[in-house]
Amino acid sequence: QSALTQPPSASGSPGQSVTISCTGTSSDVGHYNFVSWYQQHPGNAPKVMIYEVNKRPSGVPDRFSGSKSGNTASLTVSGLQADDEADYYCISYAGNHDVVFGGGTKLTVL
Amino acid sequence: QLQLQESGPGLVRPSETLSLTCAVSGGSIGDDIYFWGLFRLPPGKGLEWIGHIHYSGDTYYNPSLKSRVAMSVDTSENHFSLKLRSVTASDTAVYYCVRYRRFADYFDSWGQGTLVTVSS
Repeated sequence: QSALTQPPSASGSPGQSVTISCTGTSSDVGHYNFVSWYQQHPGNAPKVMIYEVNKRPSGVPDRFSGSKSGNTASLTVSGLQADDEADYYCISYAGNHDVVFGGGTKLTVL
Repeated sequence: QLQLQESGPGLVRPSETLSLTCAVSGGSIGDDIYFWGLFRLPPGKGLEWIGHIHYSGDTYYNPSLKSRVAMSVDTSENHFSLKLRSVTASDTAVYYCVRYRRFADYFDSWGQGTLVTVSS
C-alpha cells in the first residue's frame, strides 16, 4: 500500500483540463515543498514533469502545472492531447532522506 | 547528457539474491548534489522506491525492503549496485536506475529499465 493516495484513474477529452490529486500527511506532502510528478508511457521509463510542487523542468510543456494545498498536491494537465495518455505518479520527500510515493493514476484521453 | 544503464540477470531463482549494476555515463557519480538509486515497477502495479546511495557510501532504503536490501557504490568504475536477498515472485519487476537531485528532492534521470523475473 502506497503512502500517498492517488485516484486510480482520470480521464478527459482532447482540449479539456484534468487534475490528478495526491494526498499525503502533515509529515510529507503537508510539511515539505518537495512534491514531484512523473509521467510514464507503457514500456518507457518515467519522466519528471513537475518538481518542488510547481516547477517544470526544461522541455516540459506549460500545459502541465502543479499546486499544493495542505496535505494534498495536484497535477493539472490543460489542453489535453492524445500523447498525455499515460500513468502519472507523485512522490514526496518525507524527511530523514525518506521518500514516499503514490500508487499511480492512469490518465485516459477520451 | 547523463545516461543510466541497468545490467543484471533476467532470471533469478526464488530464495536467491538479485544483483543489479547501474552504470553512469555522461556524469560523475562523485557529484555531491546527487544520490543514486533504484525504483521498480511490478507487473500490473505501481512504482516502488527501493533506495538510494551517496558516493560517500551513505545509504537510504525503503523501510519495507530494508531488511533485504544492500546498495554499494564504486566511484572508480562510476557505477552503483543493488543486492536484494531472499527474493520471491513478488520481486518480479522492471528495475530502474535513477539519479536523485538533492536539495530539490526529485528524480531527474531514469534508466530504461531491466526486467527481472523470479522463477524456478
